[in-house]
Amino acid sequence: GAVVSQHPSRVICKSGTSVKIECRSLDFQATTMFWYRQFPKQSLMLMATSNEGSKATYEQGVEKDKFLINHASLTLSTLTVTSAHPEDSSFYICSAKEFSSYNSPLHFGNGTRLTVT
Amino acid sequence: GQQVMQIPQYQHVQEGEDFTTYCNSSTTLSNIQWYKQRPGGHPVFLIQLVKSGEVKKQKRLTFQFGEAKKNSSLHITATQTTDVGTYFCAGPKQGGSEKLVFGKGTKLTVNP
Repeated sequence: GAVVSQHPSRVICKSGTSVKIECRSLDFQATTMFWYRQFPKQSLMLMATSNEGSKATYEQGVEKDKFLINHASLTLSTLTVTSAHPEDSSFYICSAKEFSSYNSPLHFGNGTRLTVT
Repeated sequence: GQQVMQIPQYQHVQEGEDFTTYCNSSTTLSNIQWYKQRPGGHPVFLIQLVKSGEVKKQKRLTFQFGEAKKNSSLHITATQTTDVGTYFCAGPKQGGSEKLVFGKGTKLTVNP
């Protein structure tokens, strides 16, 4: 089955520093990947859609200069949280579709728990 | 804007009891998907329903898609401790987008 790998699984960083999270599709190519954020006991909030070879599209209210997304290849997308602050602490999850169609299911990475001190 | 609502938010049952979570969309959906997230884990795709009135079964799990394609339900018969987790429904964002809109989920806990 389709596997999405996310790294790191946990990261603790100091306020003001930047953190990069990698998302890889291991056994399929993904022209589109999706980045979600999940607060404790809450649902998945779509942050942005990562498009291979072009700029990411961000959801309303998500700062594109703070959450930098780069989709360098058909199997890799990265999310960089720049100048992190404690309020950025959250669970970040990437996902991808094995098949590019509107009704194809999402395959999620294991998520990255970010703690900013 | 488009909303996907789920009830209940939490459900605690005794092992062996049945469990149902309901999903309602503010718009007609072309399909609905269900995901399960175990505590500390990531969402895992369970199933997709496409047809009006469709019913699908996976062992003790029964999924239904409403006739109007605006609501869905997931029913678990005789819950087990392995059923613990949060169940999310999700539908495509309006406008033919590949994006999914998720409900807030129903967190199921099972008392052994």
